[in-house]
Amino acid sequence: DTEVTQTPKHLVMGMTNKKSLKCEQHMGHRAMYWYKQKAKKPPELMFVYSYEKLSINESVPSRFSPECPNSSLLNLHLHALQPEDSALYLCASSQDGFPPNSPLHFGNGTRLTVT
Amino acid sequence: GENVGLHLPTLSVQEGDNSIINCAYSNSASDYFIWYKQESGKGPQFIIDIRSNMDKRQGQRVTVLLNKTVKHLSLQIAATQPGDSAVYFCASIAGGTSYGKLTFGQGTILTVHP
Repeated sequence: DTEVTQTPKHLVMGMTNKKSLKCEQHMGHRAMYWYKQKAKKPPELMFVYSYEKLSINESVPSRFSPECPNSSLLNLHLHALQPEDSALYLCASSQDGFPPNSPLHFGNGTRLTVT
Repeated sequence: GENVGLHLPTLSVQEGDNSIINCAYSNSASDYFIWYKQESGKGPQFIIDIRSNMDKRQGQRVTVLLNKTVKHLSLQIAATQPGDSAVYFCASIAGGTSYGKLTFGQGTILTVHP
């Protein structure tokens, strides 16, 4: 089992819905990440939080809104998504702040389907 | 920008064989490299890492080789088992304008036949 926990495991939402993805880690890691992975493709970086502050936004559309309430939690708020946003959303953490000097630890992701 | 790619998209081996998965990178400023294994329905799982001041690192049944001259990375898996079947990604911590970002290669599908 991974030490990064993501909920829900699966999510189906309509284009007018608002939903949130949640990520939690209790390893004391100080950087947390959101990646997006399409089928048969590598994960692509979306956001990085370091010491609870947003460090990187990879020009992600505003319909994705990240939030880091504390050092253990990371949320991704979703609103007015498009079908092409359907993907596996992966959360990760690393021990030190950004840039990482150790491996990123990934959760098992949320499989999102936008209808 | 950073480009981390793989020579072979698929690799099929017999149980007990040794497997070698290759990876090329383009950013000479990359100084930290990581191999991940991703099984179906799961997130990437850390296998082994290597820093640019090393050219070889060994773990349990796995060895990573780094050739900075030709910007090449490889993962060797000894005595491959059916449980090793997965997609394997190399990744690097980028330098330059992508400083600090972990960027993945395209992935190799490893299939181990009993």
